Amino acid sequence: DTAVSQTPKYLVTQMGNDKSIKCEQNLGHDTMYWYKQDSKKFLKIMFSYNNKELIINETVPNRFSPKSPDKAHLNLHINSLELGDSAVYFCASSHAQGNSYEQYFGPGTRLTVT
Amino acid sequence: LAKTTQPISMDSYEGQEVNITCSHNNIATNDYITWYQQFPSQGPRFIIQGYKTKVTNEVASLFIPADRKSSTLSLPRVSLSDTAVYYCLVGDNFNKFYFGSGTKLNVKP
Repeated sequence: DTAVSQTPKYLVTQMGNDKSIKCEQNLGHDTMYWYKQDSKKFLKIMFSYNNKELIINETVPNRFSPKSPDKAHLNLHINSLELGDSAVYFCASSHAQGNSYEQYFGPGTRLTVT
Repeated sequence: LAKTTQPISMDSYEGQEVNITCSHNNIATNDYITWYQQFPSQGPRFIIQGYKTKVTNEVASLFIPADRKSSTLSLPRVSLSDTAVYYCLVGDNFNKFYFGSGTKLNVKP
């Protein structure tokens, strides 16, 4: 039983294309996130989202947009892909309440823009 | 945003206890200290969190001095499978977490 799943695992595409990465969690969590891990292995939060609020990291270009059809899904859509978008993208989820800072991460999607 | 400082890398041998220290001089009153582990080609995995003193679970212990300006993750009797990157995070909100470069632990046979 996969807690947080992402598709696809690998994505190779050309500059200028539009692509989406899907994420699903079966943990019943109410908050989901997208992270980007670059070639230097720095992991940066891009978005956090629950039913009530979308919080966007200010450094994220508006070409990136999260879409949440329901609590269990948070997809990441990327327009006009650029070379610098090449990275591993991780989806994560957690409970929004309490003082637990335990996030569950997906396996990652390696995006390569050529 | 509380900045953290960790050693870039550490080497150990199987069976040894490993202590990874993290400095967070600007920790705020409401901030918790959280540690994650990341294996190659996988997402990070939560290890432990604490606010003060000592916290222990089945995987690790976390030691936090009274001033909370640093913390030490202790891994008892490491094995080869503990080779990973370990991240120290400080904050009271996931949106404030900064993973940084972490500490790359290399466990040797």
